[in-house]
Amino acid sequence: SYVLTQPPSVSVAPGQTARITCGGNNIGGVNVHWYQQRPGQAPVLVVFDVSDRPSGIPERFSGSNSGNTATLTISGVEAADEADYYCQVWDTTSDHYVFGTGTKVTVL
Amino acid sequence: QLQLHESGPGLVKPSETLSLTCTVSGGSISTRSHYWGWVRQPPGKGLEWIGSIYYGGSTYYNPSLKSRVAMSVHTSTNQFSLRLSSVTAADTAVYFCARLYCSSTSCPLDHWGQGTLVTVSS
Repeated sequence: SYVLTQPPSVSVAPGQTARITCGGNNIGGVNVHWYQQRPGQAPVLVVFDVSDRPSGIPERFSGSNSGNTATLTISGVEAADEADYYCQVWDTTSDHYVFGTGTKVTVL
Repeated sequence: QLQLHESGPGLVKPSETLSLTCTVSGGSISTRSHYWGWVRQPPGKGLEWIGSIYYGGSTYYNPSLKSRVAMSVHTSTNQFSLRLSSVTAADTAVYFCARLYCSSTSCPLDHWGQGTLVTVSS
């Protein structure tokens, strides 16, 4: 099964930039989605198809993908961005979605 | 706007079958560009994909759960369901239902229910 590896935690000061990585074999060739999950809440889609944003998601959220790493970038981090973030890709070898291990973003 | 709501028993005994229903409101379940899915999250852990179903009945299941999972769709009531058999304590989790919005290239989960905790215990 396809494995997606994320750092367990990322800490960032308000106003700075947070970068959350998602490592997977040749992930640069596939579409990646990113979800934000605040404590006790359902996940929210923040980036889809590598770099597109759903309606209502701030431009501060952006994504990129190359080689074996996909990256979610949060610019001008705010306290409300403190949450867990998960990447997701479709595993074409077994036709199912796979989630990354998750990254907890802490705003200092 | 579109809303999803999970319902079902919060407590299931080991070896029995977990059954959940997701009610969709504010939109039709019988839409060509949408699949409907289930995701679970054990307490304190990450997200796990369970599977998805199209209103026409086609399904995709997580290979690790495939032998125990069955999904169905009920267009007359705008609902879809999950059944997970032979449950153990490892199946204790918050279960989310979600909509997959499908384009020509992918199907991200763009709407989620609030989740329901299912505990497996005797």
